[in-house]
Amino acid sequence: GAVVSQHPSWVICKSGTSVKIECRSLDFQATTMFWYRQFPKQSLMLMATSNEGSKATYEQGVEKDKFLINHASLTLSTLTVTSAHPEDSSFYICSARALAGETYEQYFGPGTRLTVT
Amino acid sequence: GQNIDQPTEMTATEGAIVQINCTYQTSGFNGLFWYQQHAGEAPTFLSYNVLDGLEEKGRFSSFLSRSKGYSYLLLKELQMKDSASYLCAVLDSNYQLIWGAGTKLIIKP
Repeated sequence: GAVVSQHPSWVICKSGTSVKIECRSLDFQATTMFWYRQFPKQSLMLMATSNEGSKATYEQGVEKDKFLINHASLTLSTLTVTSAHPEDSSFYICSARALAGETYEQYFGPGTRLTVT
Repeated sequence: GQNIDQPTEMTATEGAIVQINCTYQTSGFNGLFWYQQHAGEAPTFLSYNVLDGLEEKGRFSSFLSRSKGYSYLLLKELQMKDSASYLCAVLDSNYQLIWGAGTKLIIKP
């Protein structure tokens, strides 16, 4: 089946530093990758949608200069949280949609837990 | 606006059957997904419905009525490991997933 990996699975960083999270589709090519954020006991919140080779589309309220997304290839997208603050501490999940598919199913990575101290 | 409603929390007994409902109002419809999410983990795919009717997959079944904007996920022979949140999501006219807030299912022995 389709597998999506994320790295790192958890990270602790100091306030003011930047953190990069990688999302890779391991056995398929992903036209579109999605980045979600989830706070405890809340539902998934879509942050942005990225298509390979083009700029990401950010959801309302998500700062594009703070959350930098790069979708350099059909198998890799990165999310960089710049100048992280404690309120950015959350569970970040990526998902990928296959290049050819009829169901538009999104395959989720295992998530990255970010803690900013 | 776009809206997906599902109950916040449900409780059921091990071995029993539970039905989790989802109603939606979206701009267009290209299918409805159910995902399972255990605490601290990413969602995992359970089912996809695009046509009316019931799709059965082992202990889990999913039903869709497009005219009513309604779906349900039916879980049979409940096991303790089924304790999780169940997320309903609709693929809208732009092929974007619109997510419900999730239903936390608590299974009691």
